[in-house]
Amino acid sequence: QQPVQSPQAVILREGEDAVINCSSSKALYSVHWYRQKHGEAPVFLMILLKGGEQKGHEKISASFNEKKQQSSLYLTASQLSYSGTYFCGTEGVVQGAQKLVFGQGTRLTINP
Amino acid sequence: SAVISQKPSRDICQRGTSLTIQCQVDSQVTMMFWYRQQPGQSLTLIATANQGSEATYESGFVIDKFPISRPNLTFSTLTVSNMSPEDSSIYLCSGGPDSNYGYTFGSGTRLTVV
Repeated sequence: QQPVQSPQAVILREGEDAVINCSSSKALYSVHWYRQKHGEAPVFLMILLKGGEQKGHEKISASFNEKKQQSSLYLTASQLSYSGTYFCGTEGVVQGAQKLVFGQGTRLTINP
Repeated sequence: SAVISQKPSRDICQRGTSLTIQCQVDSQVTMMFWYRQQPGQSLTLIATANQGSEATYESGFVIDKFPISRPNLTFSTLTVSNMSPEDSSIYLCSGGPDSNYGYTFGSGTRLTVV
């Protein structure tokens, strides 16, 4: 089942912060975050495993609340290069098959 | 992280024909997935490509329409069969996982059916 992301779109000025949320109705093994720029393939940002751990990548970090089956991506002091569409992907085993299913995406626009 | 070469990058095909998309990974990966993405939309999982056995398809996708092969841990193909204009889309493969780099994606195949 597809995870739900919010918000669907965000417009920021350079230097502002943003939070993107991802929730699932199914138990999660892991949550992945990707960024996709127009005309390009998605690029991996980070993976979070069970345990509520938080990871960081440059000024981008994320948390994973296993009990709530939610993850949040935090973008701090955003840069122009952060523009793109962010997808969360939830990985799990459904009926014996391992799957990575993506949310609908959050389009982030950073203006100077 | 693994690097995936996906071919062709784009193609224009006549309706009723078939197209086979190839993905070659530069290292062995446990999992490979195939996705379809309409412009401006999310990635829709088509199937999990299982090494040495039949792929596992998502609801709405069937083997006769989208046959998948995965003969080893570094290679997979997706065939779009008996194409119609509704099959026009971007098709992506991905492979992994890597604890530090997650899943890597191929560069995608932009398919137009006329």
